[in-house]
Order: sequence, then structure tokens, then C-alpha cells
Amino acid sequence: QSALTQPASVSGSPGQSITISCTGTSSDVGRSRYVSWYQQRPGKVPKLMIYDATYRPSGVSDRFSGSKSGNTASLTISGLQAEDEADYFCSSYTSSRTLVFGGGTKVTVL
Amino acid sequence: EVELVESGGGLVKPGGSLRLSCVASGFVFSSHGMAWVRQAPGKGLEWVSSISGSGTDTYYADSAKGRFTISRDNARNSVSLQLNSLRAEDTAVYYCAREIAASLTEIDSWGQGTLVTVSS
Repeated sequence: QSALTQPASVSGSPGQSITISCTGTSSDVGRSRYVSWYQQRPGKVPKLMIYDATYRPSGVSDRFSGSKSGNTASLTISGLQAEDEADYFCSSYTSSRTLVFGGGTKVTVL
Repeated sequence: EVELVESGGGLVKPGGSLRLSCVASGFVFSSHGMAWVRQAPGKGLEWVSSISGSGTDTYYADSAKGRFTISRDNARNSVSLQLNSLRAEDTAVYYCAREIAASLTEIDSWGQGTLVTVSS
């Protein structure tokens, strides 16, 4: 049950687009449709931003989008805003019938 | 609106036990799997355990197998996590979470968390 691999930090200026990668294996991200992304602001509870790799829950800004190719999933934030500054975690269902999270990526708005 | 309220956290000595509980409201409880996810201070998220909507299927992370037991009571809209043989590395905020489907897939809602501290 190794954690999914995410960059420790990503930064961008307001209005720019950034992409966070989440790399797993053929036992998790590569074979599962159940890939999710969560936003966690400091001192707050995680919030679901993307599910099934590409779907946005109702109420989540359309500036957030998800994609998946092979063993890597990605979260793109377009039109970066100060309120997007947070930690972002990916997760995937695995072939072992477990859930695995990524180590998290700190997004900084410059 | 989905609401998940955890209780039961606290300070416990290494080797000790604790029982975490979570009461849910705002949705049809038995239609959703439930999970526990923990977060050590300043660290990332770690899935601990899940249970299917019917309660017949349970799943555990390697770190939890043999020490933790998840259970649910659909009549009371509650899910519990029994923590035994606790270690210092189990210190974390434990979140109760709802899964999107009836069985283990993805998490879509989180409680506020309850802090478990394992220390002598």
C-alpha cells in the first residue's frame, strides 16, 4: 500500500493555470475509475473536488478539472485565485480492495 | 445536508484501547459505505478502514489489520472504530467519512475529526 506520488508543492500567480500530478501503478490509478481529489485548507476538513477522475461535484468551481492517463491522474486549476491556496490530495481505489492517498501537494498563490 | 459527528478520541497510553464513534445524519445511511481516515499532525491523509453499507464487508489498511475493528449499526446511523494495541504512531486526527457508493470506492463527505493521542 505505497502512497501515490504527488509533487510536494506547486505555485502560480493569480489567473494562471497549474496542474498537480498523482502517479500510481497499474494496481491503483492505472486500473481504477475511482480516482478522487480533495482540497484541504489549513485547519479545515478535506473537501471533495473531483471524483471518478474527471467529474466535479455540484458546487465545485468549474476552474477545477481532472484527467487521467495511464498510471497518472492530474488536477488542473485554471484562473488561479488566492482562495485556492491549500493542500491537495489525490486518492485511488486499488486492486487489493483498499484506498490509497497521495502524499499531498501544497499550492501557493504567489 | 450530510453531517458526520465523531466522538471518543482522547489521550491513551501505548498498548491501550479506544473506541471511536460517528453518528451520521442527512442521508440514507445504509446506502453508503463508511470509512475512517486519519491524519497525523502536519502529515497527509491515510485511509484506515471501510465498511460496506450493509455491514457485511470490511476492509483494512495493513497498519490497522489485527488491531482495529470497524463496525456499524444501521438502526442508529452510526459507525465505530475499535482501536486496540495502540502505538505512538497511531496519534492522529481520525475522520469519519462517507463513501459515494454502498461499497468501498471514493469518499465524498468528512466529519470534523476526533484527535487520538497515544503517549505515556
